Amino acid sequence: KAGVTQTPRYLIKTRGQQVTLSCSPISGHRSVSWYQQTPGQGLQFLFEYFSETQRNKGNFPGRFSGRQFSNSRSEMNVSTLELGDSALYLCASSLQGQGFEKLFFGSGTQLSVL
Amino acid sequence: SQQGEEDPQALSIQEGENATMNCSYKTSINNLQWYRQNSGRGLVHLILIRSNEREKHSGRLRVTLDTSKKSSSLLITASRAADTASYFCATDAIAGNMLTFGGGTRLMVKP
Repeated sequence: KAGVTQTPRYLIKTRGQQVTLSCSPISGHRSVSWYQQTPGQGLQFLFEYFSETQRNKGNFPGRFSGRQFSNSRSEMNVSTLELGDSALYLCASSLQGQGFEKLFFGSGTQLSVL
Repeated sequence: SQQGEEDPQALSIQEGENATMNCSYKTSINNLQWYRQNSGRGLVHLILIRSNEREKHSGRLRVTLDTSKKSSSLLITASRAADTASYFCATDAIAGNMLTFGGGTRLMVKP
């Protein structure tokens, strides 16, 4: 079974631009979560999608958005990039319909904002 | 904000020694999980312990949970160089809507 796939692996953008990151979950997993990881703030929850609906949302500004498609693939978008958005963005999928148990993570997208 | 805080932040040991990491959290939980991350890659799930469990084993891993003290510990026995990684605890809070990660412990196992 293929793991969680995130593309692209690396991304360099400049301030003010927008970016879209993609995540393909493990086949059969319907829950997809996104996390931002920085050295200063650690791992912070962005949002979670289940069956194409945003089920939970972390404490991030509206510039961060996401969506999930009918095949469970998910994208997240960051508009009007700021230097502080430089981070490793991790996507995770899980089988669970409720709660958070055993997340399977992708390798992440390393975003650098210049 | 982080629900879990880990201690120590960094740990350096020799191969063959045991490594113990601790995690404290703030609110009541459904479960607590431990994950490993190798140098900026994705996290790998190690073990999950539910709020009604006190101890769990998986291979060389032993996890304990004390809900009265809101704390957990991860013990890795007979450490190997390949265990070098960052280890994170994560809590699924009863009143929460997300899996919340601690700051992590960086473990270095010297050959």
